[in-house]
Amino acid sequence: DAKTTQPTSMDCAEGRAANLPCNHSTISGNEYVYWYRQIHSQGPQYIIHGLKNNETNEMASLIITEDRKSSTLILPHATLRDTAVYYCIVHYTGNQFYFGTGTSLTVIP
Amino acid sequence: GAVVSQHPSRVICKSGTSVKIECRSLDFQATTMFWYRQFPKKSLMLMATSNEGSKATYEQGVEKDKFLINHASLTLSTLTVTSAHPEDSSFYICSARGQNGNTIYFGEGSWLTVV
Repeated sequence: DAKTTQPTSMDCAEGRAANLPCNHSTISGNEYVYWYRQIHSQGPQYIIHGLKNNETNEMASLIITEDRKSSTLILPHATLRDTAVYYCIVHYTGNQFYFGTGTSLTVIP
Repeated sequence: GAVVSQHPSRVICKSGTSVKIECRSLDFQATTMFWYRQFPKKSLMLMATSNEGSKATYEQGVEKDKFLINHASLTLSTLTVTSAHPEDSSFYICSARGQNGNTIYFGEGSWLTVV
């Protein structure tokens, strides 16, 4: 079962940074934090994942707190195409991959 | 990045018939694939985990005789919905674990409509 809690929805102005929080207070030491997004009627798209350290790629940055009980996905300059449902998932390789309810992000012009 | 392809993207079938959905990893070998279904405005619900060469592991409440999963090769898994009924109409999505074991890639999804 999903072990994450995310806000149901968020808005962000176009061009501004979108900061999406996720709580995973029961995360185990060997579980990674993954972020995916899903645009309507498409399969989920991988964004980023991390274990302990902060991570950055061409799409986003992932900030994980020191106690690993929460994380934040940062889209540095949100565009209208970033409007989607964003899922935070904790997962250990070899286990099942469960989705929570996600955050519906709306980027406003 | 790695690509996972599903086919068909949309299918309409008559009630009582069976329909097969294919999931292929196009440029990597996938020892594990996951199958999900998703209802409108809902999250993805894991149906089963498919391991190459062995029987799939089904989530609680998912009928294994109704949703047949075969993972006969490292690049192909299939989901067969048997004796389909209108309530089986849904968006079905597969995913595959990449060779590095840490990243999971998703297919584009398949819309099933049972009439």
